[in-house]
Amino acid sequence: EVQLVESGGGLVQPGGSLRLSCAASGFTFNTYSMNWVRQAPGKGLEWVSYIGGTDSTIYYADSVKGRFTISRDNAKNSLYLQMNSLRDEDTAVYYCARDPHSYGGPYYFDNWGQGTLVTVSS
Amino acid sequence: EIVLTQSPGTLSLSPGERAALSCRASQSVSSSYLAWYQQKPGQAPRLLIYDASSRATGIPDRFSGSGSGTDFTLTISRLEPEDFAVYYCHQYGASPWTFGQGTKVEIK
Repeated sequence: EVQLVESGGGLVQPGGSLRLSCAASGFTFNTYSMNWVRQAPGKGLEWVSYIGGTDSTIYYADSVKGRFTISRDNAKNSLYLQMNSLRDEDTAVYYCARDPHSYGGPYYFDNWGQGTLVTVSS
Repeated sequence: EIVLTQSPGTLSLSPGERAALSCRASQSVSSSYLAWYQQKPGQAPRLLIYDASSRATGIPDRFSGSGSGTDFTLTISRLEPEDFAVYYCHQYGASPWTFGQGTKVEIK
């Protein structure tokens, strides 16, 4: 069974930093591309970032480019999102989501974690 | 950026009725790279349909997707109690990859 478990969310002041993690199990992690998708309270979904499985391709939404960094550790079956210079508008539940392709994406998201809440507030 | 507009915003129906949800794109979605997700309160989204009309693993056949170009539809043939939720469309044909604002299907 595919499992994605996010952690690392919490309350942070504007301008602060946070590192999210996503622990993957139940599939061969290094052959799948991965994404972060967020959802502000009461709002819709917003794609944040993508990292390829078998290639090194990385993409970011314009809203986070230059502030967020996606990475992965295939030996630990883990995905990360380093978030710096956080703003009020970054407040959201952050989901890690699997792309069923190993490269060329992002495509659609076939498995999602339960999400971790990031609250940016003074 | 491709803007996806979902309609209606809210659909009020009874169990057993048919639901038709629309997703209209501001530009043509290449290769029909459009997906549909279901989200219930407090839960993560769940993939229903990809490539406009392919059902994801384990999705009941009462869910079907259709369309191409700029007009796409998610149809639920007979609503079951567990189908009342919010539905999002998502295009992955062009960067930036975008979602619609969602359609809530509520019990009438």
